[in-house]
Amino acid sequence: GESVGLHLPTLSVQEGDNSIINCAYSNSASDYFIWYKQESGKGPQFIIDIRSNMDKRQGQRVTVLLNKTVKHLSLQIAATQPGDSAVYFCAEKTNTGNQFYFGTGTSLTVIP
Amino acid sequence: NAGVTQTPKFRILKIGQSMTLQCTQDMNHNYMYWYRQDPGMGLKLIYYSVGAGITDKGEVPNGYNVSRSTTEDFPLRLELAAPSQTSVYFCASSYSMGAKGSPLHFGNGTRLTVT
Repeated sequence: GESVGLHLPTLSVQEGDNSIINCAYSNSASDYFIWYKQESGKGPQFIIDIRSNMDKRQGQRVTVLLNKTVKHLSLQIAATQPGDSAVYFCAEKTNTGNQFYFGTGTSLTVIP
Repeated sequence: NAGVTQTPKFRILKIGQSMTLQCTQDMNHNYMYWYRQDPGMGLKLIYYSVGAGITDKGEVPNGYNVSRSTTEDFPLRLELAAPSQTSVYFCASSYSMGAKGSPLHFGNGTRLTVT
């Protein structure tokens, strides 16, 4: 079966520091990856995505890096703010699949 | 656009009762999904649909049923509620899958407790 996992279940950072959240995936056929943010009591919210023909993609304060060689995905958040405190999930799918597979999530806490 | 709307937000059921979790989307998405999320866990796929009239099982379909009579609506039915179905249920939709996949858009969930 699919396996999408995260290295660190919890992460605490000081406000203003950069955060890095990691994700490992096992299916080498996966070609589309998404990071989601989930705040307490809400549904997952799209942050950024990347396809396998890229190794880096940047958004507003966020960067996703994809290393297909070691099947690793990371989310970098610059100048972390208290509003970034949430659980972050990575998700993957193959180019022929109709399903996304989700990791268990990393809980990010920003210390003011 | 309202996006993906789920009702109710909360529900308590007794063992053996049945209920329908409602999900509707106004983005004209063909692909719709039901996930459950247990505490500290990731999202597990229950059922999904690639278009009106078509449904398919996900990882954890036992104890649930779905229907997709319209593009907009994708209700999830629990026939005989069990304590193991205590969870938060999320509905999601997507514009496309396959080679040109697009992100899932999620509702805010239904928190279900079975006692």
